[in-house]
Amino acid sequence: GAVVSQHPSWVICKSGTSVKIECRSLDFQATTMFWYRQFPKQSLMLMATSNEGSKATYEQGVEKDKFLINHASLTLSTLTVTSAHPEDSSFYICSARMGVWANQPQHFGDGTRLSIL
Amino acid sequence: AQSVAQPEDQVNVAEGNPLTVKCTYSVSGNPYLFWYVQYPNRGLQFLLKYITGDNLVKGSYGFEAEFNKSQTSFHLKKPSALVSDSALYFCAVRDTFPVDYKLSFGAGTTVTVRA
Repeated sequence: GAVVSQHPSWVICKSGTSVKIECRSLDFQATTMFWYRQFPKQSLMLMATSNEGSKATYEQGVEKDKFLINHASLTLSTLTVTSAHPEDSSFYICSARMGVWANQPQHFGDGTRLSIL
Repeated sequence: AQSVAQPEDQVNVAEGNPLTVKCTYSVSGNPYLFWYVQYPNRGLQFLLKYITGDNLVKGSYGFEAEFNKSQTSFHLKKPSALVSDSALYFCAVRDTFPVDYKLSFGAGTTVTVRA
C-alpha cells in the first residue's frame, strides 16, 4: 500500500523548454503533496507544499512563476518547470501524505532526473 | 524550529556486523521521527517511525531505531548488516506544532556494507 508514482523518470530537453512532472498516489487519497529538489549526494530541499484545490505554498527562495504546481485532485499533483535552463537540472522528488493525522509518514515517488542541455 | 543532524557522512561495515546510523534532532515540542532509505536514482523508502510509546521501534528489512529523549537522538540500527543494505539513509523530524506536516531531513549517511 501507499504507492506514489512519479512520471517521467528521466527527461532530457533543450534550454527554454517547459517540462511537466506528474505525481500520483495510486492506492490512497493524498491530503497533501510535497515537491523536493535534490542535488547529487545532498539532502532533499523542500520546494513547495500543495493541498488539493488550493494554491501551493512555496518555500522561501523558490520562484513561483518558474515552478508551477497544480494539485487538481486528491491523487494527482503536477510540477511544471517553465522555460527550463541548465541550472534547473536536478533530481525532483514528490511525496504524498494521507489522512488527517500529523504522525503519518510521507510516501515518496521514485523521482525525476531532469537534464537541460 | 525543527532540525536534524546526521553526524556521519559515511558508515562502512562488514557484512554480518552490526550497523548503526546516528541521528540527533531539535524541536520545540515533541518530535515525530522517521527513517528513510534511498537507493541510486530512486525516491525515498520509508523504514520506520517514532510517534509515541516504546522507545525501541521496529521497522522494515530488520531495521530498528531507539528513541532517546534525554539525548535527543534516534539512531538507526540493524544487528547484522547485508550487502544489499548499502544505500543512502535519511533521518527526518517533524515537530508537533505547527501542524504543517513539513519534514526536516538530515544531510544523509551513505552506508557501505562490504562482503
